[in-house]
Amino acid sequence: GIQVEQSPPDLILQEGANSTLRCNFSDSVNNLQWFHQNPWGQLINLFYIPSGTKQNGRLSATTVATERYSLLYISSSQTTDSGVYFCAVERLGAQKLVFGQGTRLTINP
Amino acid sequence: DTGVSQNPRHKITKRGQNVTFRCDPISEHNRLYWYRQTLGQGPEFLTYFQNEAQLEKSRLLSDRFSAERPKGSFSTLEIQRTEQGDSAMYLCASSLGTSGGAQFFGPGTRLTVL
Repeated sequence: GIQVEQSPPDLILQEGANSTLRCNFSDSVNNLQWFHQNPWGQLINLFYIPSGTKQNGRLSATTVATERYSLLYISSSQTTDSGVYFCAVERLGAQKLVFGQGTRLTINP
Repeated sequence: DTGVSQNPRHKITKRGQNVTFRCDPISEHNRLYWYRQTLGQGPEFLTYFQNEAQLEKSRLLSDRFSAERPKGSFSTLEIQRTEQGDSAMYLCASSLGTSGGAQFFGPGTRLTVL
């Protein structure tokens, strides 16, 4: 099946710093989503981005489908950005999301 | 748009008991998915429905697990004869249309088997 690798596994930053999270995947996809998992376990949709670039406030994402990677950028980090960020992909012809292992982001005040 | 809802949010049970979880998808969504997440891992696919038809089941879904979506609206996931290894967060998601659509997740049901 498709492999999804996220890096780094852990990231610790000071408030106000910028961060870049990476997601590599091993096959062609027709869906790629970024999620933030809150402390209660709910997956919050950040981006639906099988290709191209999108921005939403301090967050932006870019997926280069031909090179099989996606990047999530967080600018001017706030403590509320802390948590686990997941990348998930749906391979062409499949009907399910395959998740990476996540990046645990800690923003210190 | 009320989002995906799941009940109960938490369930504690003794080994050997049966449990049932419910998921209500976003109303116009025709696809419904179940995932399971254990501590420190990303969610893993269990099964999905298109309308009332269950179209795919993961090998993770043992014979003790059964899922239904009787009228193409809400879905239930039942685990019979629970084991301690079933302790996990059970997540439901829904999407609209065909393959490749964005999936939206509910808050999950956290199961603890004692």
